[in-house]
Amino acid sequence: QQQVKQSPQSLIVQKGGISIINCAYENTAFDYFPWYQQFPGKGPALLIAIRPDVSEKKEGRFTISFNKSAKQFSLHIMDSQPGDSATYFCAAIVFSQGAQKLVFGQGTRLTINP
Amino acid sequence: DGGITQSPKYLFRKEGQNVTLSCEQNLNHDAMYWYRQDPGQGLRLIYYSQIVNDFQKGDIAEGYSVSREKKESFPLTVTSAQKNPTAFYLCATARGGAGANVLTFGAGSRLTVL
Repeated sequence: QQQVKQSPQSLIVQKGGISIINCAYENTAFDYFPWYQQFPGKGPALLIAIRPDVSEKKEGRFTISFNKSAKQFSLHIMDSQPGDSATYFCAAIVFSQGAQKLVFGQGTRLTINP
Repeated sequence: DGGITQSPKYLFRKEGQNVTLSCEQNLNHDAMYWYRQDPGQGLRLIYYSQIVNDFQKGDIAEGYSVSREKKESFPLTVTSAQKNPTAFYLCATARGGAGANVLTFGAGSRLTVL
C-alpha cells in the first residue's frame, strides 16, 4: 500500500522528442506528488509537483498529468534535450503517525541522444 | 546543496567498523531524514526526525542509529550490524507544520565497505 511503482526503468529518447515516465500508486492517503531529477553523484532535486485535485501542471517543458481515479500520474518532457539526461524519481507524500514521509518510485534512467 | 552539507562525500570502511555520516543544515527546517540509495531500488527511508531529541525508524532502520541533539544536525551511524552497508546515503530536510512539504536533499555520501 505504501508503494509507488514507476516505469520504465530506463528510457532512451532522441533529441527533440517527448520523454514519458509513468507512476502508479495504491494508497489513497497520498496527498502530494513530487518529481525529482538526479544527476550522477548528486542528490535529487525537486523538478515539479502536483496535488491530487489538479489534473495537469506544466512548468516549461515539464508537465505532470494526474489521473486520480486510476491512481496514476506521469511526467512528460517536451522537446527533450541532452541536458535532461538524468535519473527521474516520482514520489508521494503521506502523513503517518503525525509525521510526513516521502515514498519513492524505483527511478527511471533517461538518456537523450543528440 | 541548498543549505544542506553532507560529509564526507566518500568514505571507505573495513568490515566490522562503525562509521558516522554527518548532515548539517542551515535552512531552519524542522524535519530531517536519512535515505539509502541502491541501483535500481530507488530511495529507502532509514530514519527521520520531526523535532530535536526525537526520531523514528523508517523502513530499513536495522543496523543504523541516529541522534538529533540540535535542530541543525542529524548524524547517521552505520554500525557493524548493517550487513550490506555499501550504498549512497542521502540526507534531506523539510519544513514542519501543516500541509505537505517537499524534501530538499544534500549531495550525498558514498560509503564503500572493503
